Amino acid sequence: DAKTTQPNSMESNEEEPVHLPCNHSTISGTDYIHWYRQLPSQGPEYVIHGLTSNVNNRMASLAIAEDRKSSTLILHRATLRDAAVYYCILLAYGSGNTGKLIFGQGTTLQVKP
Amino acid sequence: NAGVTQTPKFRVLKTGQSMTLLCAQDMNHEYMYWYRQDPGMGLRLIHYSVGEGTTAKGEVPDGYNVSRLKKQNFLLGLESAAPSQTSVYFCASSYPASLGSNQPQHFGDGTRLSIL
Repeated sequence: DAKTTQPNSMESNEEEPVHLPCNHSTISGTDYIHWYRQLPSQGPEYVIHGLTSNVNNRMASLAIAEDRKSSTLILHRATLRDAAVYYCILLAYGSGNTGKLIFGQGTTLQVKP
Repeated sequence: NAGVTQTPKFRVLKTGQSMTLLCAQDMNHEYMYWYRQDPGMGLRLIHYSVGEGTTAKGEVPDGYNVSRLKKQNFLLGLESAAPSQTSVYFCASSYPASLGSNQPQHFGDGTRLSIL
C-alpha cells in the first residue's frame, strides 16, 4: 500500500484558512486521495476525496499537485469545531477493491479563538 | 437515521474473559470493518467483510474473531481477553468501491474496552 506523510501538528486561528499538506510520492495511477478527520472522542468522518482534479464540497477543498505526488486539504474558514486529527489516505479503486483504509498518525489541527 | 451503532459503548473485562462487540448499520451497506485505535495512534484494521457470510483478516487479526450472519450486523469477538487488547474499537461500513465512485466509510462512535 502506498504511504502518505503528514506533519504531526498544525495550528490555526479561528476564521482563517488552513492548508493541511500530504505527501504521497509513491502514489499509483489507480490511487484516490481520501481525507478523513477524527474529532475528539468520536469515530473518523469522511471529508473529501479526489483523483487528479481539484475538488470542492461543503466541508473543504482538495488541491492535488499536477504530478499527484502531493495534495493539500483546504479549510476555507477554520472554526473551533474543526479542531481534529486529519488523515490523508490513499485508496486504490478497481475490481476486487475492498475499500480497506490504512491510517497513519495524521495531523492534529489546533484552532485558536 | 442511526447510521452505524456500536454496542456497548464502554466495557471493563478481566484477563481471560470473553465478550462480543456488536456493530449494526441501517444503510444497507455491503462492506463492514472493525478497527482498533490505541492512544495517540491511527486506526488499524482488525477484520472486514465484503458481504453477508464472508469475512477476511486485516492488519491485526490475532486474538479476534468475527461473524457476519446478517448484512446489517458485524460482530467482533474476543475469546480470551488480554491487557494488550485494551483499546478503542471502531466499526465502519460502506458501499462497494469502484472506479470513479465515491464510497466513503461511515464510522460508529466506538467502544472503549479496558482489560485488567
